[in-house]
Amino acid sequence: SQTIHQWPATLVQPVGSPLSLECTVEGTSNPNLYWYRQAAGRGLQLLFYSVGIGQISSEVPQNLSASRPQDRQFILSSKKLLLSDSGFYLCAGQVNYGYTFGSGTRLTVV
Amino acid sequence: KNEVEQSPQNLTAQEGEFITINCSYSVGISALHWLQQHPGGGIVSLFMLSSGKKKHGRLIATINIQEKHSSLHITASHPRDSAVYICAVYSNYQLIWGAGTKLIIKP
Repeated sequence: SQTIHQWPATLVQPVGSPLSLECTVEGTSNPNLYWYRQAAGRGLQLLFYSVGIGQISSEVPQNLSASRPQDRQFILSSKKLLLSDSGFYLCAGQVNYGYTFGSGTRLTVV
Repeated sequence: KNEVEQSPQNLTAQEGEFITINCSYSVGISALHWLQQHPGGGIVSLFMLSSGKKKHGRLIATINIQEKHSSLHITASHPRDSAVYICAVYSNYQLIWGAGTKLIIKP
């Protein structure tokens, strides 16, 4: 079965610093992969999704970017973090209609 | 109007009570998911439904495709069931999320 590994669990970064969050998948090949963000007190918002290596779609304009260098690796990045980038970031993988979720990264930008 | 509506938004109950959380949607779907998010943020998939009813332990999920409605039931609720329960539907190759129901079970 599909397992999503996501790290780190928590991260405190200063404004203007870069960001790299990594998500890896085990147990399946060619999954659709997703990055979501949840701001405090709000629902999950889709940031990026990928249907394959090098294929990234962005749902909302923002200070972030995503890359998929390998089939089972999905990376969320920023060159310069903003205070508004604080939140809970979640990676998800999809095979057929089933979704599996990572444990999430709580990012605080100070 | 949101495409996926959950009710109630917040629910507080005593240990042992039977809990029902509702989800209504307005789009055509391929599947419906019930998920559980704990205070730390981690999300666990509870059920994926496309028809009928599923049961896992004290959790039961039902879906009525014609009425575009699903319910999540918890029998003999326990404080460890306290979490946010989220309904999400898979429609047109994307997952559409409800806002979640915050459940608190008091001992």
